[in-house]
Amino acid sequence: DGGITQSPKYLFRKEGQNVTLSCEQNLNHDAMYWYRQDPGQGLRLIYYSQIVNDFQKGDIAEGYSVSREKKESFPLTVTSAQKNPTAFYLCASSIFRPGNEKLFFGSGTQLSVL
Amino acid sequence: AQTVTQSQPEMSVQEAETVTLSCTYDTSESNYYLFWYKQPPSRQMILVIRQEAYKQQNATENRFSVNFQKAAKSFSLKISDSQLGDTAMYFCAFMKTKGGSEKLVFGKGTKLTVNP
Repeated sequence: DGGITQSPKYLFRKEGQNVTLSCEQNLNHDAMYWYRQDPGQGLRLIYYSQIVNDFQKGDIAEGYSVSREKKESFPLTVTSAQKNPTAFYLCASSIFRPGNEKLFFGSGTQLSVL
Repeated sequence: AQTVTQSQPEMSVQEAETVTLSCTYDTSESNYYLFWYKQPPSRQMILVIRQEAYKQQNATENRFSVNFQKAAKSFSLKISDSQLGDTAMYFCAFMKTKGGSEKLVFGKGTKLTVNP
């Protein structure tokens, strides 16, 4: 079945540590996105990529980094510069098809600080 | 920048009744899309309904329908015959389609509880 796979489901970060969240899709979608969800804040865009080897900052990119070496994969690294990383992280993808624009979401990763 | 406002942080409804969730947005774009996503306790984001701004007809999906008022920049969701499985967070979202940029801007959500 086609879909978006995020791993791990739960992740714990120690002080000063970088951690990487995985996002893989087999939908052959061009664009991929990372959103952060905090209680009462809705979803906020961290980074997005419309094509391989290219990505753009979203609204809250500070303290995060991404790569897009393959169409199927869009990993997110939460660096030690992100002082408040505890949140639920959602990966999404979409295909540029006029009349069918929408985002498909993965099941999310809950990141917590030890 | 586009903004999406959901003015009702929490709502509740009795099973089988009808409830309406409010959403307003701010944009200078003329062509765009609006969405309602549902996030149940599993936290999986599920698309409920989608509206294209150039279409005057309100979108419907079974028990879910919208009231799209473009001039007022309002996009409310009506859930008819509410079911226990409708209990979830509901997010209104805006997408502009210009130059292939399909970013979604979300509201802060409305927590809906359906009571038996």
